[in-house]
Amino acid sequence: GAGVSQSPSNKVTEKGKDVELRCDPISGHTALYWYRQRLGQGLEFLIYFQGNSAPDKSGLPSDRFSAERTGESVSTLTIQRTQQEDSAVYLCAGDPPGGTTGELFFGEGSRLTVL
Amino acid sequence: SQQGEEDPQALSIQEGENATMNCSYKTSINNLQWYRQNSGRGLVHLILIRSNEREKHSGRLRVTLDTSKKSSSLLITASRAADTASYFCATDAGYSTLTFGKGTMLLVSP
Repeated sequence: GAGVSQSPSNKVTEKGKDVELRCDPISGHTALYWYRQRLGQGLEFLIYFQGNSAPDKSGLPSDRFSAERTGESVSTLTIQRTQQEDSAVYLCAGDPPGGTTGELFFGEGSRLTVL
Repeated sequence: SQQGEEDPQALSIQEGENATMNCSYKTSINNLQWYRQNSGRGLVHLILIRSNEREKHSGRLRVTLDTSKKSSSLLITASRAADTASYFCATDAGYSTLTFGKGTMLLVSP
């Protein structure tokens, strides 16, 4: 596709339920990032995928959070047993190939509300 | 803690005025980037300045970088109502990810 696509755009769930968020990156972008943004705050790094290398999971806040990516395709971020503090916008971004970190292309995000 | 810290947190100006936002960071960097975010959704890349550059221009945007002070500024000249958004600096310190600040919320009134 022309841009990074995320779904769902909005998700309202009840505390304790699991949610799955999806990111379709731009074709050819080998690097993929997930960030979390709480209301009025900056972006918190969650996880980074680079090609077939082991992902950098250092930003995941707890073992309730996990993410998968197969090759250079779609990624899913799963939050198990959601808590109210998980309410945030979850942003996915891709990094064009070329070595050093450059411009990131962001999706429009998935807004998660946990009641 | 955040690597980049923007100030002010919020800025309100009239159309036609210039807007200046600042970013301070803590560790050495490879480059620093500025992003814009409308209505809390996706971020759009504005400009990237490398650690060996001191100033860069793009249209009405001017970015400066002072590595000795670990700070950067973003100047938007002749602002327009459509410039209303949140602006974030992001630093690349050579790790696998960019580190973002909390942002400056800019309001440009007609």
